[in-house]
Amino acid sequence: GESVGLHLPTLSVQEGDNSIINCAYSNSASDYFIWYKQESGKGPQFIIDIRSNMDKRQGQRVTVLLNKTVKHLSLQIAATQPGDSAVYFCAETPHGGNKLVFGAGTILRVKS
Amino acid sequence: DTAVSQTPKYLVTQMGNDKSIKCEQNLGHDTMYWYKQDSKKFLKIMFSYNNKELIINETVPNRFSPKSPDKAHLNLHINSLELGDSAVYFCASSQGTRGYGYTFGSGTRLTVV
Repeated sequence: GESVGLHLPTLSVQEGDNSIINCAYSNSASDYFIWYKQESGKGPQFIIDIRSNMDKRQGQRVTVLLNKTVKHLSLQIAATQPGDSAVYFCAETPHGGNKLVFGAGTILRVKS
Repeated sequence: DTAVSQTPKYLVTQMGNDKSIKCEQNLGHDTMYWYKQDSKKFLKIMFSYNNKELIINETVPNRFSPKSPDKAHLNLHINSLELGDSAVYFCASSQGTRGYGYTFGSGTRLTVV
């Protein structure tokens, strides 16, 4: 597949298990953070976001945790499904700005 | 369908040629962007326009020239293509200049041979 030859971190999980994808961000002045999912041949798709005045936000089957002390962001996916297989990116927006600064990406593989 | 649409989806061309990629959004957003994704999947912003005005230009070679004829369109023209320009180029749009509610297009895979 498209991931062959890529040297991104890979997380392999069994269908039905929970997944946790981690991200270290770079700019302590960033105040808005987003997780994106990218499937093969498609553009990044918004999953969930969080602002810097929060440390946790929940969506449907997904939870984002923000630890500003150590500049760490995580995405938790509950009951992972085969359709969750994709590359996941965290992104940050510097305070007052509108550009997204992306992390390196993590490949999530879901085994049936 | 409301979307960000790019054309073409694939572009194969020889070194030295000039090519354009077009982007249109019908979401009513007033800010549009070009991002480049390299072979390692790393995504980086190139340009941003707000209401046809260039607001971000991220150290991109001047062979790359964006043009925004109106706030719903943002095109990217590339002169004298080089092998290193091979990448996937994504157009995106958002409402306002705070970066909330980004919507990405499906990408243009440019291969320079």
